[in-house]
This record gives sequence, C-alpha cells and structure tokens, in this order.
Amino acid sequence: DVVMTQTPPSLSVAIGQSVSISCKSSQSLVYSDGKTYLHWLLQSPGRSPKRLIYQVSNLGSGVPDRFSGTGSQKDFTLKISRVEAEDLGVYYCAQTTHFPRTFGGGTKLELK
Amino acid sequence: QVQLKETGPGLVQPTQTLSITCTVSGFSLTSYYMQWVRQTPGKGLEWMGFIRSGGSTEYNSEFKSRLSISRDTSKNQVFLKMNSLKTEDTGVYYCAREDWFAYWGQGTLVTVSS
Repeated sequence: DVVMTQTPPSLSVAIGQSVSISCKSSQSLVYSDGKTYLHWLLQSPGRSPKRLIYQVSNLGSGVPDRFSGTGSQKDFTLKISRVEAEDLGVYYCAQTTHFPRTFGGGTKLELK
Repeated sequence: QVQLKETGPGLVQPTQTLSITCTVSGFSLTSYYMQWVRQTPGKGLEWMGFIRSGGSTEYNSEFKSRLSISRDTSKNQVFLKMNSLKTEDTGVYYCAREDWFAYWGQGTLVTVSS
C-alpha cells in the first residue's frame, strides 16, 4: 500500500498567519494517464471531511483561494494564506492513483 | 443538490454482521462510482472499497474477505455489509462519491461491543 506521511502532525497558528502542510508518498502518484491524483481534505470538528483541493492544485467548488496546492511525484504541499477561524480542524492528504486509496495521518490546525 | 446519508445500526456485537445503507439524491448511481471510507481511533481514515457506475466492485484487501458492497439503483441506495466484526471495527462509516472525495455523507457511528 502507498504510505502517505504528513508533517507536522499539528500546527498552532494565529489568525491571519500563513501555514504550509507537507505530504509525502512512498510511491510516485503519477498515474498512467500522466495525471497526479493527490487531494487535500479538511475535517472540521464534528463534521465529515470536505474536499479542498483535487489533483494537486485544483480548488474544489466554493473553496477560497487562500488555499493552494503544489507538488509532484511524491512530494506535495498545501498552503493556507491568511488563516481564518473557519480553517481550523484536521487536514488530510489522500491519493487515488493506486489501490487501495490511502490517506495521510492528518495535520491538526489549532489556534495559538 | 447532491446529498448522501448513511443509516446504520449504531451498536453491533462482536462476530456479527454490519449492514449500512447510503441513500443518495441529486445524481444517478449509474453515472458515478460510490465508495465507503471509515474512520477509526486506531487507524484514522481507511478506504474500504467502491462500486463502479457499471456495478462492479473493488475492495481494499484489508477487508476483502469479509466486505461486500452492492446497490439498488431504483432506490438510489448503496449498501455495505461486513461480517465477523471485531471491537477494532468501531468507528464512523462514511459513503462518499468517487469523484475525488467531492461529496461525503454525514457518517454513521458504529460501536462494536457486547
């Protein structure tokens, strides 16, 4: 199985600060069609996960452009510019290139 | 709009079979794959498997021997059945549409305990 390693496991931030979360995969996430199926999710407290970004850098519907995703092959980053209170929760990366689909262990974003 | 809702038993005894129904609206099951993801204290988010728009299935080998995913397109429902439950299967079970996790249900908490 592809192992997804997220760092850091937790982040303490002030509102308005910018932060980055890293996600590294144990195998390349480039599929045979040339696309990379790496996605980012946010799980707010008590809620289901919500997709933020799909295929490395595409913003989901209704997701503010404070969120951005970059990366390639096995190394990916989610950046949040100007954190707002509604951004707090646990962030997960997920890959759908290989079977079984796998998720990172999560990065908990908390208020400083 | 797109909606998904899981309905489950809440409490299941060890060794028994878990059955969960996901009822969807706003789209057709013959146009999208549907997957099951669970979240447990021990392993976090785990992808369990999916049923394709054509009806074939793909399972995580972690669950393959005891998991079954099926559907009733006339009722807009997808079903998860998993047998031989253990206490480690306690967690929240989600159905999600397989377009890169765009839509999720609210989840249903399953507790495996005698």
